[in-house]
Amino acid sequence: SAVISQKPSRDICQRGTSLTIQCQVDSQVTMMFWYRQQPGQSLTLIATANQGSEATYESGFVIDKFPISRPNLTFSTLTVSNMSPEDSSIYLCSVGPTSGETQYFGPGTRLLVL
Amino acid sequence: EDKVVQSPLSLVVHEGDTVTLNCSYEVTNFRSLLWYKQEKKAPTFLFMLTSSGIEKKSGRLSSILDKKELFSILNITATQTGDSAVYLCAVSNAGGTSYGKLTFGQGTILTVHP
Repeated sequence: SAVISQKPSRDICQRGTSLTIQCQVDSQVTMMFWYRQQPGQSLTLIATANQGSEATYESGFVIDKFPISRPNLTFSTLTVSNMSPEDSSIYLCSVGPTSGETQYFGPGTRLLVL
Repeated sequence: EDKVVQSPLSLVVHEGDTVTLNCSYEVTNFRSLLWYKQEKKAPTFLFMLTSSGIEKKSGRLSSILDKKELFSILNITATQTGDSAVYLCAVSNAGGTSYGKLTFGQGTILTVHP
């Protein structure tokens, strides 16, 4: 299974600022995904990040608010821009499907916006 | 739009009890159904199911998929306090730009009392 790390693990930010979350994988993967989990809710896909192409955003999420970079096959970043308290969530990156078609998640970034 | 519904939403049992968690789904182009356990931040993978009627088992946990009736169950026997967590069901889409995208259910909160 892929080993995924995320930085930072948590942060407290002021409204109106931006935070960039990094996701590093220990092997090359084609597909990376970014999910959000708001308090008490399930996971919702923000976007799919494929190397060499623009990220594909799900309904309700836009590039200006959540710009994504995918410079190579082991790394991606998600920026949460112009934050408001409603952005307080856990943000998770995921890779897959792998050759075993299982998708694994990074440890998550817990964000609190004041 | 893909949809996953889990039941019950919460469950409280005592150690030693057996529990059954349910997951029904609607997906345009089914690839697989996955079960995850979430305790702190990141969901940890339990099972991936692709074929009907084949039980997957890991210790006290087992799961089975019915692709005709579009549901899956997760069984936990002889529950322990360490089984207390949120159990998430997700379906993976096989189609085009949705390939690999996971749609999650609301989760079942399981609490196991000593």
